[in-house]
Amino acid sequence: GAVVSQHPSWVICKSGTSVKIECRSLDFQATTMFWYRQFPKQSLMLMATSNEGSKATYEQGVEKDKFLINHASLTLSTLTVTSAHPEDSSFYICSAPDGAREQYFGPGTRLTVT
Amino acid sequence: AQSVAQPEDQVNVAEGNPLTVKCTYSVSGNPYLFWYVQYPNRGLQFLLKYITGDNLVKGSYGFEAEFNKSQTSFHLKKPSALVSDSALYFCAVRDGLTGGGNKLTFGTGTQLKVEL
Repeated sequence: GAVVSQHPSWVICKSGTSVKIECRSLDFQATTMFWYRQFPKQSLMLMATSNEGSKATYEQGVEKDKFLINHASLTLSTLTVTSAHPEDSSFYICSAPDGAREQYFGPGTRLTVT
Repeated sequence: AQSVAQPEDQVNVAEGNPLTVKCTYSVSGNPYLFWYVQYPNRGLQFLLKYITGDNLVKGSYGFEAEFNKSQTSFHLKKPSALVSDSALYFCAVRDGLTGGGNKLTFGTGTQLKVEL
């Protein structure tokens, strides 16, 4: 099956700094990618849809100025958490659809803000 | 709007016994249904999907799921559970009619614990 990678797999940053997470589709092109957030023992919450060549679409309640998304190419989307705070600590997962019917998920990035 | 319900937070089963993880859904059009498994601190792994065709879908690691349109259910099953099946399981749905921009809606997850 198709492979989606994320980098880094875990990151620790200080409060007030920004951190960038990359999501890559390794063997297919994705005009759309999705970013999810997952709190411990909870479900995945869709944060935004990353669109290659246009602005990301954010879900209700997600601050677009805090979670910056850039879909730089057909194989790369980045999520930048700006001015991070401890409450932003979470597990962030991206996914990319390969065609119209199936999504492939990255391994996730564990963000800890101290 | 589409939604998924997983009524059980946790399911406990003895190794070798059959297991069932329940899922019900709601969509406007035809449902595209998925099951994923997640191990601690890992991303989601695809288990199986239903798009169309036979109501009984077979997937990875011996899992299967049965699509029941009248009950709007898509329960995950395995005839004989293994300790290594212990993980967090997510049911997800996509509205096939609207396309939904490929958006998946996930259930809240069910923690499966298989004991010796």
